[in-house]
Amino acid sequence: QKEVEQDPGPLSVPEGAIVSLNCTYSNSAFQYFMWYRQYSRKGPELLMYTYSSGNKEDGRFTAQVDKSSKYISLFIRDSQPSDSATYLCAMSAGSSASKIIFGSGTRLSIRP
Amino acid sequence: NAGVTQTPKFRVLKTGQSMTLLCAQDMNHEYMYWYRQDPGMGLRLIHYSVGEGTTAKGEVPDGYNVSRLKKQNFLLGLESAAPSQTSVYFCASRTGTDYGGMNTEAFFGQGTRLTVV
Repeated sequence: QKEVEQDPGPLSVPEGAIVSLNCTYSNSAFQYFMWYRQYSRKGPELLMYTYSSGNKEDGRFTAQVDKSSKYISLFIRDSQPSDSATYLCAMSAGSSASKIIFGSGTRLSIRP
Repeated sequence: NAGVTQTPKFRVLKTGQSMTLLCAQDMNHEYMYWYRQDPGMGLRLIHYSVGEGTTAKGEVPDGYNVSRLKKQNFLLGLESAAPSQTSVYFCASRTGTDYGGMNTEAFFGQGTRLTVV
């Protein structure tokens, strides 16, 4: 069983829709939860990170962590065509922990 | 500010050939990583390093070797390339300093597209 599971999609929604992306994990030691965005033929870039449980909001993006369920989510409000990309969740056991484990990524397409 | 630079960007190898991928970072980061990305598989960790002169195995280390002789460089070697090693390879780096979570961002290079025929 993989430590981090993510639905690969693809997911296609109309412009302006709310998008929900999710990951589940099995390692209870994970404390830092990240979302990376990767455009086609580019390297991933950090979008958001959260520590432990709770919500974090940054503009149109909200990250949620539910450690009791080992489940994390990324919500995108008022989605734009420029949000079309692959979104990867990532986790590590601590801020100085060396390994970062990634999910398989969800390919998202926003239709104009 | 170059960030993380990978060399080369593209390469085609014949089965059995060897090659070295170079990763260079100019951010004085302690941690460096090599990942491979295949369709539907996400990023899988090959090897990583927590400092100059140290390396460790990740999830899929077989068929690869690494070296970190200088803090700013992390080399990934394929001794005898196989078609199963056709992939996009990403190098990443991040600081090991604990700023209460602010250090968790890993910076990625642009990737190396490797095809083994």
